[in-house]
Amino acid sequence: DSGVTQTPKHLITATGQRVTLRCSPRSGDLSVYWYQQSLDQGLQFLIQYYNGEERAKGNILERFSAQQFPDLHSELNLSSLELGDSALYFCASSVEGSSYGYTFGSGTRLTVV
Amino acid sequence: DQQVKQNSPSLSVQEGRISILNCDYTNSMFDYFLWYKKYPAEGPTFLISISSIKDKNEDGRFTVFLNKSAKHLSLHIVPSQPGDSAVYFCAASGNSGYSTLTFGKGTMLLVSP
Repeated sequence: DSGVTQTPKHLITATGQRVTLRCSPRSGDLSVYWYQQSLDQGLQFLIQYYNGEERAKGNILERFSAQQFPDLHSELNLSSLELGDSALYFCASSVEGSSYGYTFGSGTRLTVV
Repeated sequence: DQQVKQNSPSLSVQEGRISILNCDYTNSMFDYFLWYKKYPAEGPTFLISISSIKDKNEDGRFTVFLNKSAKHLSLHIVPSQPGDSAVYFCAASGNSGYSTLTFGKGTMLLVSP
């Protein structure tokens, strides 16, 4: 157990629907990162939050949004889902905003049918 | 445009031999490099890192080499063990490690007994 908890582990939904992925960071970590891993792709950075505020944005679609709550857990909202959104979504956390201590969760596998 | 490239999707090695995984990067601002290992159904876990002020870092059976002029790094595993079979991701960061991580697509290592 890495200490980063992602729920649900698996999600199957239809095109056009909206889903919410949840991440609880490791205790004491203030930064949360979201990554997407599609078939044959590496881990694509989506967005970072630090202590409740957006810190950095990557290749995140406008249909996707995220937030970090006062208790530091984060949610990634995916709407108007398309088949191409099927992927593994990973959350990682770190104490500060540094790369030194990324700890990843086990991911949420999203399948859009 | 892929800034971190792992050109070998897979590598097969016999137990006891050396495994060499390669990674190239294009962004000159990257100054901190990491390797992550990923088993199926788990998130990536940190393996070893190197700062751009060094050209080698060793941790047990794992050694990372950095050639800044060639923008190339490699991970050596000696001796390789069947438990090393996993996907290995190369990652890079700028701003002394305070920028978000950019990952390669990964190399699947298979170590056979």
